[in-house]
Amino acid sequence: DGGITQSPKYLFRKEGQNVTLSCEQNLNHDAMYWYRQDPGQGLRLIYYSQIVNDFQKGDIAEGYSVSREKKESFPLTVTSAQKNPTAFYLCASSIIAGNQPQHFGDGTRLSIL
Amino acid sequence: AQSVTQPDIHITVSEGASLELRCNYSYGATPYLFWYVQSPGQGLQLLLKYFSGDTLVQGIKGFEAEFKRSQSSFNLRKPSVHWSDAAEYFCAVGSGGTSYGKLTFGQGTILTVHP
Repeated sequence: DGGITQSPKYLFRKEGQNVTLSCEQNLNHDAMYWYRQDPGQGLRLIYYSQIVNDFQKGDIAEGYSVSREKKESFPLTVTSAQKNPTAFYLCASSIIAGNQPQHFGDGTRLSIL
Repeated sequence: AQSVTQPDIHITVSEGASLELRCNYSYGATPYLFWYVQSPGQGLQLLLKYFSGDTLVQGIKGFEAEFKRSQSSFNLRKPSVHWSDAAEYFCAVGSGGTSYGKLTFGQGTILTVHP
């Protein structure tokens, strides 16, 4: 079955640590997205990529970094510069043409120890 | 800039009752509109989408939504709610131009269903 796989499901970070969240898709989608979800705030876009080796900042990119070396993979690094990283992180992908809907993974919950 | 407003943070209905979740959007051109549903601790699942054409859109799980340009609204409806519909619902608008494919989400509406 085609889909988006996020790992791990739960992740804990110590103060001052960088952590990387994995996102893999086998839908052959060109575009991939990272969102942060906090209670009562909906989904906020962190980064997105429409093609390999290219990505753009979203609305809340500070303290985060991404790479897109392969079409299937779009890992997100939460750096120590992100002062409030505790949240639910969602990865999504889509076909670019025609504003097709985004397909979502099951998310990673990041907590600070 | 585009935006989406879901005026109701939390709605409670009885099982079997009808449901309407409100969504208002702001977008300069013809919008691409979506409704998603999220169960606790899970990702988002697409319920339905509107791109153009018929303003009444049918989706999965018995949901429908009506696009009203004059009111900038895209409300989600279901004639008879089931207990399994309890979840959080998000309305989203898609953009074009250089931001092709990006979505802007509303803050979500939590639906509670009483037996």
